[in-house]
Amino acid sequence: GEDVEQSLFLSVREGDSSVINCTYTDSSSTYLYWYKQEPGAGLQLLTYIFSNMDMKQDQRLTVLLNKKDKHLSLRIADTQTGDSAIYFCAEAPNSGNTPLVFGKGTRLSVIA
Amino acid sequence: GAVVSQHPSWVICKSGTSVKIECRSLDFQATTMFWYRQFPKQSLMLMATSNEGSKATYEQGVEKDKFLINHASLTLSTLTVTSAHPEDSSFYICSAGDTVYGYTFGSGTRLTVV
Repeated sequence: GEDVEQSLFLSVREGDSSVINCTYTDSSSTYLYWYKQEPGAGLQLLTYIFSNMDMKQDQRLTVLLNKKDKHLSLRIADTQTGDSAIYFCAEAPNSGNTPLVFGKGTRLSVIA
Repeated sequence: GAVVSQHPSWVICKSGTSVKIECRSLDFQATTMFWYRQFPKQSLMLMATSNEGSKATYEQGVEKDKFLINHASLTLSTLTVTSAHPEDSSFYICSAGDTVYGYTFGSGTRLTVV
């Protein structure tokens, strides 16, 4: 079945860049998402990328997709303490009709 | 943008009672609703998928008689935890699926069964 893998922890200093990596197994994945979850809260959609794209940038966020290696990364520039949260990578073959498959989440800790 | 309102945000109930969680899509029609459960420090586990007007499809290992899902309209889906026990304590999150807006998540419900 589909599988999404992420490293569990990442610690960075405030002002540095954070890079969170994700790999997936489903070659039919068309939509790839990054969500942020703060303690006790729901999921906040950060950004998404279609499988026919290599890169997407949105302010401090940059998503890189290597479809050949099934590797996705999220780069957060100028990381702030407010970025401390759990980041989930998720994929789906189409948008809205089938359930998202989530990774286990990467806990980002930002050190002041 | 699309918004899903999930209520209640948190609930404490006695063991043996039932709890209903509601998810409403406020400005769009949710053709599909996904219900997830999240244990502390873990990822989201899909419980079931429901389409408006039809029976929900439950994931393996999820008891359909215990977790009743109703999706009677395109804007409302409910999850009822029947005869709740302490092991049902968890964070429950709904997600409305739509081909236009993609996936829109509710803010989650923290259920504590005492």
